[in-house]
Amino acid sequence: DAKTTQPPSMDCAEGRAANLPCNHSTISGNEYVYWYRQIHSQGPQYIIHGLKNNETNEMASLIITEDRKSSTLILPHATLRDTAVYYCIVRVAIGGSNYKLTFGKGTLLTVNP
Amino acid sequence: DGGITQSPKYLFRKEGQNVTLSCEQNLNHDAMYWYRQDPGQGLRLIYYSQIVNDFQKGDIAEGYSVSREKKESFPLTVTSAQKNPTAFYLCASRDNQPLNYGYTFGSGTRLTVV
Repeated sequence: DAKTTQPPSMDCAEGRAANLPCNHSTISGNEYVYWYRQIHSQGPQYIIHGLKNNETNEMASLIITEDRKSSTLILPHATLRDTAVYYCIVRVAIGGSNYKLTFGKGTLLTVNP
Repeated sequence: DGGITQSPKYLFRKEGQNVTLSCEQNLNHDAMYWYRQDPGQGLRLIYYSQIVNDFQKGDIAEGYSVSREKKESFPLTVTSAQKNPTAFYLCASRDNQPLNYGYTFGSGTRLTVV
């Protein structure tokens, strides 16, 4: 499986942009990058995903480098409620139209007042 | 509202007993998944099912069993063969179409062996 590397923790001031990095140097050409977050003792929440183009939705932006070996999730105006563990995941095909998501330890983002 | 319901939220089991965790979804999703999460760790895939009456082992299937008799339901049984069953269990589902959408997760069941 394509492995992802994330820093274990990051801090961000409330109202500032949070930039969460992820390395995925072994990613294959047709593998997508997904981002989820998990607030303590809850199920993970989908944030965004992309293949090679930058993506933006109401929650965040995803910037993928041209060589696709790394990406950055951007929360443009972090709030206290954005404090969570953020997972960067490479989607792996397991045959046909099936795939799986393998979650690592993620990055604990703490948004400070 | 559509979603995934896991029950119970907390579950206590005596050693040597089997226990079944419930997962029900009304999203009309085809694929369903069970993950296990230990403190401070990521999620590990236990079992998954792409369609009714079909399921496959994930990365840590030993000591677990599942069934998929209905599209809406994917119960997980933690058997006495599971050596360390205390963990947070998460169920997820995904629509096969469109293929690129992510998973929807339930709120989890915290299992404790006493």
